[in-house]
Amino acid sequence: QLQLQESGPGVVKPSETLSLTCTVSGGSISSSSYYWGWIRQPPGKGLEWIGSMYYSGRTFYSPPLKSRVTVFADTSKNQFSLKLNSVTAADTAVYYCVRLAGDYGGIPGHYIYDVWGQGTMVIVSS
Amino acid sequence: DIQMTQSPSSLSASVGDRVTMTCRATQSINNYLNWYQQRPGKAPKLLIYAASTLQSGVPSRFSGSGSGTDFTLTISSLQPEDFATYYCQQSYNTPSLTFGGGTKVESK
Repeated sequence: QLQLQESGPGVVKPSETLSLTCTVSGGSISSSSYYWGWIRQPPGKGLEWIGSMYYSGRTFYSPPLKSRVTVFADTSKNQFSLKLNSVTAADTAVYYCVRLAGDYGGIPGHYIYDVWGQGTMVIVSS
Repeated sequence: DIQMTQSPSSLSASVGDRVTMTCRATQSINNYLNWYQQRPGKAPKLLIYAASTLQSGVPSRFSGSGSGTDFTLTISSLQPEDFATYYCQQSYNTPSLTFGGGTKVESK
């Protein structure tokens, strides 16, 4: 059974870089037709897609965050990571790593987030 | 970008009630619409995909409908474990999958 686990600092100073890693177990991030990505949820608020990486390495980012975000993989460790630059208090959130699966249920073109990490809280504070 | 709007943002209901919530997209997304349930402190869980297909293991009291821009999630008889927040998500513009703001179902 595929599992995802986030790791990284729980506190980041304003203007610095938030770095998180997602370790994948029970499957390979090089498996075809999957995207691997990050979603965040500020305290008491909704879910926000940050960015995703296709198994081939191509990346896609949320337009409001695009200038500050990088998602990349280390296939040798079966991990993928998130870097978010120049953080502010508005970046305080629970960060989830996720797998996006396509053609779900045998329906062509339908994608769902089928596996989620447990989430890790990151606080931006001096 | 496709924006998703859910209403109401919260509702109060009792066990056994029929509960309905809606989700609207800023453009037609056909049936590329998923519903997730999130309990406090937990990651979201998929309930319904392709607007109306129940995920395996999800109770049949949950149902989804709609196509185009307007969608509905219905809980036919609310159970204690259903008090949670529900999010719709469009999967039309993969991988830029946007979520609605959520509907929180609270106990009356």
